[in-house]
Amino acid sequence: GEEVAQTPKHLVRGEGQKAKLYCAPIKGHSYVFWYQQVLKNEFKFLISFQNENVFDETGMPKERFSAKCLPNSPCSLEIQATKLEDSAVYFCASSQSGRTDTQYFGPGTRLTVL
Amino acid sequence: DQQVKQNSPSLSVQEGRISILNCDYTNSMFDYFLWYKKYPAEGPTFLISISSIKDKNEDGRFTVFLNKSAKHLSLHIVPSQPGDSAVYFCAATGGATNKLIFGTGTLLAVQP
Repeated sequence: GEEVAQTPKHLVRGEGQKAKLYCAPIKGHSYVFWYQQVLKNEFKFLISFQNENVFDETGMPKERFSAKCLPNSPCSLEIQATKLEDSAVYFCASSQSGRTDTQYFGPGTRLTVL
Repeated sequence: DQQVKQNSPSLSVQEGRISILNCDYTNSMFDYFLWYKKYPAEGPTFLISISSIKDKNEDGRFTVFLNKSAKHLSLHIVPSQPGDSAVYFCAATGGATNKLIFGTGTLLAVQP
């Protein structure tokens, strides 16, 4: 598609439950990124993919967070055993190629952990 | 350690005047800079970018200036319009990674 699509728009989970978020990058884009916006104006990088391969995972809290980008499927970000502090808006972005290519963002998924 | 800083949390400008948003960075490895605009409950929208080999890039009403020696960039919007009212984020990337490091944003209010 012409835009980055993210589902669901909102997700509510009880503490300890699993949360799974999905992202469909712009068609033809090779790179996918996940960012977490916890406080209103702070973006934190989580992970990036080049096609189905992890490119940079330096931002991932590895014990509970995992992500995949499989061929012919939306990319996913999964949080096992959610905690209150995971409440945030999660943004997916994609870029065509290369490091200096513009990243285009999706509308985000708002995760609320109760 | 905030590597990208936007020291003005908010800015108010009259319609038709110039808006100047500022951004400072500390990491010398950064070589590509972007500005995004964000409305509430939406994702960031790309506005304009600049490579470190340039000191100015212009696109319509938007111009970005880069001062490498001062590690400072600015976004000029002229003339400002009420529809420009949003939060503006500066972002940077460089080195081996392709992740964006964001500033904390500046809320621009353009008064009619």
